[in-house]
Amino acid sequence: AQSVTQLDSHVSVSEGTPVLLRCNYSSSYSPSLFWYVQHPNKGLQLLLKYTSAATLVKGINGFEAEFKKSETSFHLTKPSAHMSDAAEYFCVVSETAGNKLTFGGGTRVLVKP
Amino acid sequence: DTEVTQTPKHLVMGMTNKKSLKCEQHMGHRAMYWYKQKAKKPPELMFVYSYEKLSINESVPSRFSPECPNSSLLNLHLHALQPEDSALYLCASSHKVNNRVLGTEAFFGQGTRLTVV
Repeated sequence: AQSVTQLDSHVSVSEGTPVLLRCNYSSSYSPSLFWYVQHPNKGLQLLLKYTSAATLVKGINGFEAEFKKSETSFHLTKPSAHMSDAAEYFCVVSETAGNKLTFGGGTRVLVKP
Repeated sequence: DTEVTQTPKHLVMGMTNKKSLKCEQHMGHRAMYWYKQKAKKPPELMFVYSYEKLSINESVPSRFSPECPNSSLLNLHLHALQPEDSALYLCASSHKVNNRVLGTEAFFGQGTRLTVV
């Protein structure tokens, strides 16, 4: 069985400072991992994905994530937060042997001016 | 075209009404999904269609009835809903399951905000 834990339900940062969103996963098989962002009353947009190629993955809008198998982590970072980054972020795992996405509980990001 | 289009964007229905949610994609994806999302919660999987056949039903009540008329369309028929069914309903699609080459990420629509009164 697979599971995802997002370690922070809320993160507050100042505009221009780094953002770190933490995600740990559990998977019986070689997983694919994703980060999605959801702005209020909108659908989910894919930020980036890991599918067993490079462990450091670059995504859209300046986000990147590093897959660390030894730590079963897939943390999301951005060097400089922008006001438009205020949203809900979901870490998601998909086992390549399966066909279901498992969502973490989400992290709400607040960006202060 | 990397869009999943859902209609309507908003829907208010009474508990005795029958309505349908629609979802369309033209990316050639052969897996399509319905998710339900309550406020401040992650999406919960309801149904998965693979090659137009229902492959997963997550023990969803029968008042929700999915339909996949062809490879581009996915419907969710609603009948005799309860107020607790009010939520954001998201449709998603992806390449066929287990496709390592094309990737397994799901593309989501903007959702239908459903209110049951």
